[in-house]
Amino acid sequence: DIQMTQSPSSLSASIGDRVTITCRASQSINSYLNWYQQKPGKAPKLLIYTASSLQSGVPSTFSGSGSGTDFTLTISSLQPEDFATYYCQQSYSTPFTFGPGTKVDIK
Amino acid sequence: QVQLVQSGAEVKKPGASVKVSCKASGYTFTSYVIHWVRQAPGQRLEWMGWINAGDGNTKYSQNFQGRVSITRDTSASTVYMELSSLRSEDTAVYYCARQVLFGGNYFFDFWGQGTLVTVSS
Repeated sequence: DIQMTQSPSSLSASIGDRVTITCRASQSINSYLNWYQQKPGKAPKLLIYTASSLQSGVPSTFSGSGSGTDFTLTISSLQPEDFATYYCQQSYSTPFTFGPGTKVDIK
Repeated sequence: QVQLVQSGAEVKKPGASVKVSCKASGYTFTSYVIHWVRQAPGQRLEWMGWINAGDGNTKYSQNFQGRVSITRDTSASTVYMELSSLRSEDTAVYYCARQVLFGGNYFFDFWGQGTLVTVSS
């Protein structure tokens, strides 16, 4: 199975801050990497697919980059509604696996 | 609008089975693959398997060692996930999610609201 790791596991930030979350795969997954946002008690929401494509309806403050084994999710200007947990997920091979999550909370 | 609506919370005893439903609406049911993903309390998301709603083909995670079965009823636009031989570690929220295949990549664009399954004696 492909193992996914994320860093940091949590971070505190202020409104307007630039936030970067890193995701690493245990082997090359090309660009088959997706990012989801999850709020407490809610289902995950797709933000970014294929490493850098913005899902329809997602604010342009979100962006993704990377390929191979290393990927990043960037929020260019943190908004109140962005406080949540973020998960990366590889879709290169089954079993599809997710990272452990990065919790973004208010400083 | 696309919706996936799941059945309600369940409480089961160890060794029992649970069957969770996921009713789809707002799109052509047989044109998509549906996945099941679970999340134990405080844990990461865990992929369980998928079903092609059109032809009924399935694929499961080996991590469930034959305990999971995913079926569909096209007349009801509903997918079912059954997990057997339940143990306490199966306590989790179970989600169904619709798959999109684009540019060779798979991702989940719509999710059900989740179903809490609690396994307790």
